[in-house]
Amino acid sequence: QVQLQESGPGLVKPSQTLSLTCTVSGDSISSGGCYWSWIRQHPGGGLEWIGYIYHSGSTYFNPSLKSRVSISIDTSKSQFSLRVTSMTAADTALYYCARVTAAEQFVSHWGQGTPVTVSS
Amino acid sequence: QSDLTQPASVSGSPGQSITISCTGTNTDVGGYTYVAWYQQHPGKAPKLIISDVSSRPSGISDRFSGSNSGNTASLTISGLQAEDEADYYCSSYTNTDVVVFGGGTKLTVL
Repeated sequence: QVQLQESGPGLVKPSQTLSLTCTVSGDSISSGGCYWSWIRQHPGGGLEWIGYIYHSGSTYFNPSLKSRVSISIDTSKSQFSLRVTSMTAADTALYYCARVTAAEQFVSHWGQGTPVTVSS
Repeated sequence: QSDLTQPASVSGSPGQSITISCTGTNTDVGGYTYVAWYQQHPGKAPKLIISDVSSRPSGISDRFSGSNSGNTASLTISGLQAEDEADYYCSSYTNTDVVVFGGGTKLTVL
């Protein structure tokens, strides 16, 4: 079955850049039919879609985060990654990587989530 | 602020039915059938319970059903059970090639 696992630092200083990686197993990250996505959830809050990437490298981002976010993919390692620049306390959240079906645009598989705190 | 509007909370007694609304615009909920619903229990990742407005993935109880009308999608849970107590989120594809979520609804089973 498809599994996704996030990895990265749990603590980031204000103004620094966050880098997270998601490792995919049980599915080919190179195959079409799905997008590889990042979604976050603020403490006690709702879900916020950050963006996603297709295996070809095409990316789509939440307009409110677009200026600070990038997503890349490494098909040889079956990984995709998130970078968020100029982190602030408002970026403190649980970050999920996820598999989104390309046709119907729903999340079929979620990682367990990795908490990120922005603090000096 | 979320792009799709959901009630903050709903409640019902065991055995009853409840409906959660998800209101957007004609550029998202009203313009596409790509509306999904997720259930999230505390400390867990969300779980897909409805896709494509009204389709249930394999293994999801038929007590869960979805529908839409105009710019509002709805999730109905019938025969409420204690285990249904959770947060529920809707999502929709939009005309700008992005996905948006609702703010979430906390369901309390009385």
